[in-house]
Amino acid sequence: QQPVQSPQAVILREGEDAVINCSSSKALYSVHWYRQKHGEAPIFLMILLKGGEQKGHDKISASFNEKKQQSSLYLTASQLSYSGTYFCGTMKGGGADGLTFGKGTHLIIQP
Amino acid sequence: DAGVIQSPRHEVTEMGQEVTLRCKPISGHNSLFWYRQTMMRGLELLIYFNNNVPIDDSGMPEDRFSAKMPNASFSTLKIQPSEPRDSAVYFCASSLGSSGTEAFFGQGTRLTVV
Repeated sequence: QQPVQSPQAVILREGEDAVINCSSSKALYSVHWYRQKHGEAPIFLMILLKGGEQKGHDKISASFNEKKQQSSLYLTASQLSYSGTYFCGTMKGGGADGLTFGKGTHLIIQP
Repeated sequence: DAGVIQSPRHEVTEMGQEVTLRCKPISGHNSLFWYRQTMMRGLELLIYFNNNVPIDDSGMPEDRFSAKMPNASFSTLKIQPSEPRDSAVYFCASSLGSSGTEAFFGQGTRLTVV
C-alpha cells in the first residue's frame, strides 16, 4: 500500500519553514525519507524506526507517530539547496523489505 | 566505493526489442532493489533480492519483465518485448538489508521505447 504524501507541492521563499506529511493505512514499522533533485537519484535523508522517534540533522528533522501511522518532515529556515522532490518510504515489516514510496512532494525554494 | 553502478545510462529502443538493464551494487550490500520511476506512477518497487535470492517480485508489471541476480555483484532487469509504455527511468538500489539501513541508489537508466 502506497503511503500518501501531502502537500503535492510547496513553493517557499528562502528562510521560510515547510512541513511535509506522510500517512499510511497500514501499520508502520519504519519511515524513510529521501530527496531527489531533477535528473538525479534519490538521496537518503533519514530513517525513523520507533514510534514517536524524532530525528534530524542540520535544519531538517522528522517525527514518527506510530499510533496515527504518520510521519512528518520539517524543513526549518529553508535554503535554496533544499529544492527537490521529497519522498517518504515505508516497509511492510522488519527485514530486507523494499521501500514503497509515496508520490512525492515537490518543494521549490525561491530566493 | 564507486556506489551503485547502472548501465547503460540511456537506452533508446524500438517497440518489440529486448532490453537489458544492468546493475552493480555496492560491495558488501546483501539487498538489491529495482525501481521504476514515471511522472504518473512515481517510484515503484519492481523486485528485490536478498542474498541473491528474489524475495518479492509482486511489483513486476508483466511477464515481459524478468530480473536475475546471478551473484552478489551483478543484477539484470530484462524487458522482452519492450513497449512504449515501458519508457521510464529505472533505478537500482542496494542496502545492507535491514529495515534500519539506508538504500543507495544508482544514477538510473533512462529507457525510451519508440
